[in-house]
Amino acid sequence: GQQVMQIPQYQHVQEGEDFTTYCNSSTTLSNIQWYKQRPGGHPVFLIQLVKSGEVKKQKRLTFQFGEAKKNSSLHITATQTTDVGTYFCALNAGGTSYGKLTFGQGTILTVHP
Amino acid sequence: DGGITQSPKYLFRKEGQNVTLSCEQNLNHDAMYWYRQDPGQGLRLIYYSQIVNDFQKGDIAEGYSVSREKKESFPLTVTSAQKNPTAFYLCASQWETSQPQHFGDGTRLSIL
Repeated sequence: GQQVMQIPQYQHVQEGEDFTTYCNSSTTLSNIQWYKQRPGGHPVFLIQLVKSGEVKKQKRLTFQFGEAKKNSSLHITATQTTDVGTYFCALNAGGTSYGKLTFGQGTILTVHP
Repeated sequence: DGGITQSPKYLFRKEGQNVTLSCEQNLNHDAMYWYRQDPGQGLRLIYYSQIVNDFQKGDIAEGYSVSREKKESFPLTVTSAQKNPTAFYLCASQWETSQPQHFGDGTRLSIL
């Protein structure tokens, strides 16, 4: 089956520092999605990457999709306390998987003021 | 206001008891999903349904059952065969296969 590795598992930063989480798949992907889950909350969709080598930005967040469509990263510039939460990548293999997502284990981000 | 409603928010199960978690959506989405989340871990797929009256097992279906009699509703039953049911259960729906999933607020299930 599809394997996904997301690293690091935990990241503690001082407010203002940058943060990056990485996601690697064992198979080529149709697309990859990123979600954020605040403590005690539910996952909320952030973005979807579809094209090889794609880069998308949302304010301080930058998302990249690898050229081989097997890896992705999420980078946050100058973290704020509102960035606290768990960031998940979710892999969509496409084809017969029909919208099924395989979630990474998540990176728990803590931001110290 | 469109969305996904899960109930109850907290649920306690006694030994040998079956319990049912409710998930209702008014987004007119065809696909619905049930996930289990354990502390500090990612989401694991229990069951999913692409259309009414049809559903498939996910990665950890043992000890669980579902039904999809209506488009809006996808209840999950945690049976007594599930020996470690304590977890956070999340329901999600999806309009189309390439689109993101929308999640409910979840149900926290504990053993008494």
